Formats: sequence, structure tokens, C-alpha cells
Amino acid sequence: SAVISQKPSRDICQRGTSLTIQCQVDSQVTMMFWYRQQPGQSLTLIATANQGSEATYESGFVIDKFPISRPNLTFSTLTVSNMSPEDSSIYLCSASPTGPYNEQFFGPGTRLTVL
Amino acid sequence: GQNIDQPTEMTATEGAIVQINCTYQTSGFNGLFWYQQHAGEAPTFLSYNVLDGLEEKGRFSSFLSRSKGYSYLLLKELQMKDSASYLCASPGDYKLSFGAGTTVTVRA
Repeated sequence: SAVISQKPSRDICQRGTSLTIQCQVDSQVTMMFWYRQQPGQSLTLIATANQGSEATYESGFVIDKFPISRPNLTFSTLTVSNMSPEDSSIYLCSASPTGPYNEQFFGPGTRLTVL
Repeated sequence: GQNIDQPTEMTATEGAIVQINCTYQTSGFNGLFWYQQHAGEAPTFLSYNVLDGLEEKGRFSSFLSRSKGYSYLLLKELQMKDSASYLCASPGDYKLSFGAGTTVTVRA
């Protein structure tokens, strides 16, 4: 299993600013992912965070808006850049210790409100 | 790609049984996950089916039919704490694709 923590747990930000969310896993994992979840909606995958290389983004998400880092096998960051109220959402980090075809563990999420 | 469908909402009474269906169309099948998510919390793993048939874990069971592209999650002896969203998900292309989720409300 894997225990995942995220910082911050919530934040209120001004339009046009950027916020970096940190995700820490208590053990080395093969894959890490970043999701967005609007209230009452399911999870939308933003990108797969690749260790040592650029993240793999899903359709509709771009690196300039959501830069991602993964410097090692236990840590990743997601930055939400040049924020607008439409970016208000819950951002979730997840990790799969042994690969995508096995259980994913989720962090508690970061609740972002953009004014 | 992955196309996953499940009902939006279901309501049941305490002690009853509820079955949440999930149909999927995938470019390559690698099993089916079920997750539970309580409001304001992160999703937690319930089950993973790769082979056809029923897998039971206490009050929760999950069924898979690969030929029909169909799965269901069966919740027995419902308790108030089972009120949550239940997400069907299929791994493929090195990522997990989620259905929209089924919100289950348990009433006394």
C-alpha cells in the first residue's frame, strides 16, 4: 500500500496567480497521477507524472497551464498557473506502487478556490 | 480509449441490497476497478476484477463479464455509512479512466 499526503489541503487564491501543490508518498512508487474533481463530478485525469522526464498530459490540459515535476519516486508537484475562477476545483494526487493495472492510492486532495 | 457508463444516482433503505451496474467499452481490457468516495474525501479502493465471475469481500461483492463488457458492485445489508459515490474505473493506456460515479443514498 501507499500513504499519500498533499499540501496545502486548501487555499483561496487571486485570479492571475499560481499555486503549487505538493504530493508526498511514503514509499517509492512506479506511477503518480494528478486528477481534478469538480464538485459532484467524477475524476478527470490531468496528467501522468513521469520520473525523470516530462509529464504526459491528457487532452485539454497543457504544460504551460499545469506544469508538473517529479524529481524522484516519492514526490511530485502540480502547479496551477495564471489561475481563473474556472480552475476552482479539488486536485488529487494518486500513486500506483506497481503500475497502472493495479490499485491506485489517492491523496486527501487540495481544495482550490480562485476569486 | 475507454468509455464507461454507470447510473447517476441510487437510493435504498438501510439493510437492503443495492446493485450498481457499470458497462464499459475499452480498446484493451485490463480489468475493472471499483472505488468508494465519501463526500469531501479521497476515493478508496474496493475491488479489482480481471477474470469473469463474482468476487466477494464481506458485504461488498463485484461481478465481471468480459464478453458483455459489464460489471456490477453489490452492496448488501446496507448501512448509513455506505452513503457515498461509487466509481467504476478501467485501466488502459497506462492510466485509469473513471466513470462518472453513482451516488448511493441510504435512508433509514
